[in-house]
Amino acid sequence: DAKTTQPNSMESNEEEPVHLPCNHSTISGTDYIHWYRQLPSQGPEYVIHGLTSNVNNRMASLAIAEDRKSSTLILHRATLRDAAVYYCIPYTGAGSYQLTFGKGTKLSVIP
Amino acid sequence: KAGVTQTPRYLIKTRGQQVTLSCSPISGHRSVSWYQQTPGQGLQFLFEYFSETQRNKGNFPGRFSGRQFSNSRSEMNVSTLELGDSALYLCASSKGKGPGANVLTFGAGSRLTVL
Repeated sequence: DAKTTQPNSMESNEEEPVHLPCNHSTISGTDYIHWYRQLPSQGPEYVIHGLTSNVNNRMASLAIAEDRKSSTLILHRATLRDAAVYYCIPYTGAGSYQLTFGKGTKLSVIP
Repeated sequence: KAGVTQTPRYLIKTRGQQVTLSCSPISGHRSVSWYQQTPGQGLQFLFEYFSETQRNKGNFPGRFSGRQFSNSRSEMNVSTLELGDSALYLCASSKGKGPGANVLTFGAGSRLTVL
């Protein structure tokens, strides 16, 4: 499994953009980059995923470096509800069928 | 659309007992995965089932087992409980195949306390 490095914690002011970085220098060419988040007292929640190009959905944007060794999850306007632990997960999918969670980044949002 | 339902939400057992946890996936999802979450080890993969077949298994002792039924509902069982089995057990479902196959939807979990 590809190893990931994420900051242990980050802070953001409410309604400000947040950029959550992830290094995955050993990622294989076929691994998608998945992001999940876990709000307090809940199960993880899917946020977004991508392979090579940048991706957007209603929750966030994912910027993937050209060499795919790093990616950044972008929350455009942080809300209090975005306070959670964010996990970056390279995922092979077929043949693996498992997510390998690291320690993630704990995001605090300041009102 | 109903989410992933796990029962029971909370339970307390004593060492040596066994426990069975249940998971009902999202309608139409054929894959069910189980994860254990503890403060020390974080989220760890237990096993994954697709169409009643186990496709992958994590690094857990044989006391941890699971199964999936023809309606995709799944159960996991832990026998001879140990104090270290106290954890949040999370179930996740996905299509398991085809577009969107790798996107997991998690339940709220079953919180097991072993005394």
